[in-house]
Amino acid sequence: QKEVEQDPGPLSVPEGAIVSLNCTYSNSAFQYFMWYRQYSRKGPELLMYTYSSGNKEDGRFTAQVDKSSKYISLFIRDSQPSDSATYLCAMSGGGGKLIFGQGTELSVKP
Amino acid sequence: SAVISQKPSRDICQRGTSLTIQCQVDSQVTMMFWYRQQPGQSLTLIATANQGSEATYESGFVIDKFPISRPNLTFSTLTVSNMSPEDSSIYLCSVGSSIQETQYFGPGTRLLVL
Repeated sequence: QKEVEQDPGPLSVPEGAIVSLNCTYSNSAFQYFMWYRQYSRKGPELLMYTYSSGNKEDGRFTAQVDKSSKYISLFIRDSQPSDSATYLCAMSGGGGKLIFGQGTELSVKP
Repeated sequence: SAVISQKPSRDICQRGTSLTIQCQVDSQVTMMFWYRQQPGQSLTLIATANQGSEATYESGFVIDKFPISRPNLTFSTLTVSNMSPEDSSIYLCSVGSSIQETQYFGPGTRLLVL
């Protein structure tokens, strides 16, 4: 079993839709939770960061962490074609080592 | 945020040869990381490179296959040695950011081994 499991997608939605991306994990030592966005032929860029449990909102993006269920989510409101990318969840228990999910490829159609 | 560049951006190599990938950062950083991203797969950490010490390799990766240099606080190289088609992948370097446990990534080097 992988430490981090992510719905593989691909996911295709119409412009303006609400997108939900999810990851589950098995290591209870994870304390730091991130979402990265990776455009085609580019490196991943940090999108959202959460320490421990709770919600965090940044514009159209909301990250949720439920440590009791070992489950994290990223919500994208009013999705735009420019949101079309691969979204990677990542986690760490400290020490600088990140464990990534497989990534979900999202396509937002105009 | 740190600006990271990698060279080459892509390459096509013959099996049995070696390729050295360069990673340059625009600021001094303590830790640099090397990842592999195989087609349809996630990022897997190969090793952590600290300046002035030997790189620390993750399970499944060995120094003979992926030697790493870290001559100063802004530069590192990863060599993929004795390549086979299974080494075809994207190789990314990253550095720690000011946000704890997060990292900035370079654009990646796309390697195809024939």
